[in-house]
Formats: sequence, C-alpha cells, structure tokens
Amino acid sequence: GAVVSQHPSRVICKSGTSVKIECRSLDFQATTMFWYRQFPKQSLMLMATSNEGSKATYEQGVEKDKFLINHASLTLSTLTVTSAHPEDSSFYICSASLERGRANYGYTFGSGTRLTVV
Amino acid sequence: AQKITQTQPGMFVQEKEAVTLDCTYDTSDPSYGLFWYKQPSSGEMIFLIYQGSYDQQNATEGRYSLNFQKARKSANLVISASQLGDSAMYFCAMREEFGNEKLTFGTGTRLTIIP
Repeated sequence: GAVVSQHPSRVICKSGTSVKIECRSLDFQATTMFWYRQFPKQSLMLMATSNEGSKATYEQGVEKDKFLINHASLTLSTLTVTSAHPEDSSFYICSASLERGRANYGYTFGSGTRLTVV
Repeated sequence: AQKITQTQPGMFVQEKEAVTLDCTYDTSDPSYGLFWYKQPSSGEMIFLIYQGSYDQQNATEGRYSLNFQKARKSANLVISASQLGDSAMYFCAMREEFGNEKLTFGTGTRLTIIP
C-alpha cells in the first residue's frame, strides 16, 4: 500500500518548452507532497513542499515561476518546468508524506522523472 | 552547517562481507527520526530502516541494522553478508520534529560490491 505513481519516467523536450510531471497517490490521500531535484551523482535537494489546496512553499533559491507546483486534489500533485533550459536537465522525484503509522515511517516516493532538455 | 554528513563518497566491499556506511547529523530538536534509503541506478528510493531519537534499541531490518549513537550524533548503517544486488547509492536522511515533516538528505555513499 501507499504507492505514488510518477509520470513520465523519462522525458526529452526542446529548450523553451514546458514539461509537466505528475505524481498520483494510488491508495491513499496525499495531504503533503515534497518535490526533489537530483543532479547526477548528487543528493536529493528539496525544491518545494505542497499541501493540498494551498500554495506550495519553495526552498530558498528555487524559482517559483519556473517550477510551478499544483496540488489541487488529495491524489494529484504536479510539477511544471516552464520554459525549460538545458540546465534544468535533472532527475525529479516526488515524495508523499504519510501518517507515521503507515508504511516506511512516513514517506513514500515516486519512481522519478529523468528530464533532458535539448 | 550540514545537517547530515556522509563522509564516504564511495566504498568497495567484497561480496559476503559486512559493510558500515557512516552518517552523522546535527540537530537541536529533541525529537527526530533518521532514515536510510537505497537508490539503485534506476533512481527509485527504497526505504531501508528507521531510527527514532527516543528509541532505546538500535533498529534492525533483516540484513540491515542501524548503529545509533545518540551522544555522538551518528547513525551508521550496517549491511551484513553483502550481496551483489546491494551495489547502489545509499542516503542517510533526517526528519526533525519541528521541520515541517521534510526530510534532509546527506550527500550519499556509492557502494560497490565486488564478486
């Protein structure tokens, strides 16, 4: 139980276009979703925290106009990379916060999206 | 200051041997949780083990155990009888009670198991 489905797993887009990444909770309600970015051979860096029905909270240094996060329902959170540039190429992964009594002491991760901007 | 420090960027271990991956942390919260995740080349984050700051005993999950030394602020992961499938990146992470539920990750250790 407590599965987050993340799509697409891989995407290649042209510079200047926008890309949307979806994370859906399949068997639970995701009140809070975390979005991470991971450059090759580096750690996961938190980009933003989204709560259903409210504006996302962005970490320092993350451009909110470039990385649009929508959490309109308890089962869907989306990250849109607007006007993508090659430097936005990275691995993006979402994580839903769970009740701590559920699986894995409070978090379940999507499988990640590898974005390549050409 | 780094909240989670993993000082071993890479480790090579012979198959069937035990391996210890180091993790130290820094927090002033009295209540916190420590996590270890495995990330294979596919990118998924696989939960391995959890230790709560008030847990009296070290956590164990199958071949994984956590050597929790609270006074030293260390939470090392021990993998016993390593297998080829253990080759992956390993991340230590912390959740602070007053940190809005977010996880802070260390820089990771790349573990390679040698046949």
